[in-house]
Amino acid sequence: AQRVTQPEKLLSVFKGAPVELKCNYSYSGSPELFWYVQYSRQRLQLLLRHISRESIKGFTADLNKGETSFHLKKPFAQEEDSAMYYCALGGDNAGNMLTFGGGTRLMVKP
Amino acid sequence: EAGVAQSPRYKIIEKRQSVAFWCNPISGHATLYWYQQILGQGPKLLIQFQNNGVVDDSQLPKDRFSAERLKGVDSTLKIQPAKLEDSAVYLCASSLGRPNFNEQFFGPGTRLTVL
Repeated sequence: AQRVTQPEKLLSVFKGAPVELKCNYSYSGSPELFWYVQYSRQRLQLLLRHISRESIKGFTADLNKGETSFHLKKPFAQEEDSAMYYCALGGDNAGNMLTFGGGTRLMVKP
Repeated sequence: EAGVAQSPRYKIIEKRQSVAFWCNPISGHATLYWYQQILGQGPKLLIQFQNNGVVDDSQLPKDRFSAERLKGVDSTLKIQPAKLEDSAVYLCASSLGRPNFNEQFFGPGTRLTVL
């Protein structure tokens, strides 16, 4: 069975501090990992996916198959990064279905 | 382009009543999803359509939930009868579809409160 774990419900940091939102997954096939974000009063939207290997809004995430992790990182947090972040898992035998983690609320204080 | 549309945005009903939600996906998107998001949790997939066919409904409580996408465009999700534990945000999403993993675009959601 697919499972995604985000161990932190809330992460609070000061502006300019580094940020790491943790995500661990369980999947028997070849995984596809995503980070979705929901800003206040906005829709859930894709932030980045591991196959793109790109940086979006200063965020990066590396898939570590050995540790079954896909942590989201940003070296210097900004106040506008405050939002709910969801890690999501798909895969080669999951059709186009995603399994979401429980989410982490990031609060960036001034 | 216009995004995924959902209505109503809010609904309050009493337990044992019925309720229906409507979703209009992005034009041209073959795949449509319904998710249930209970407060404090991530979205949970209820059902996935590819055009007007069901791809997966393994997590849909079929004794009370039903969904259809008759013409392969709009979709409705119905709950009959509702229970207190059905209180949640119901999200509709759409994507271009297979074979590759496509970005899912989400609607604003319908917040259901069952009293």
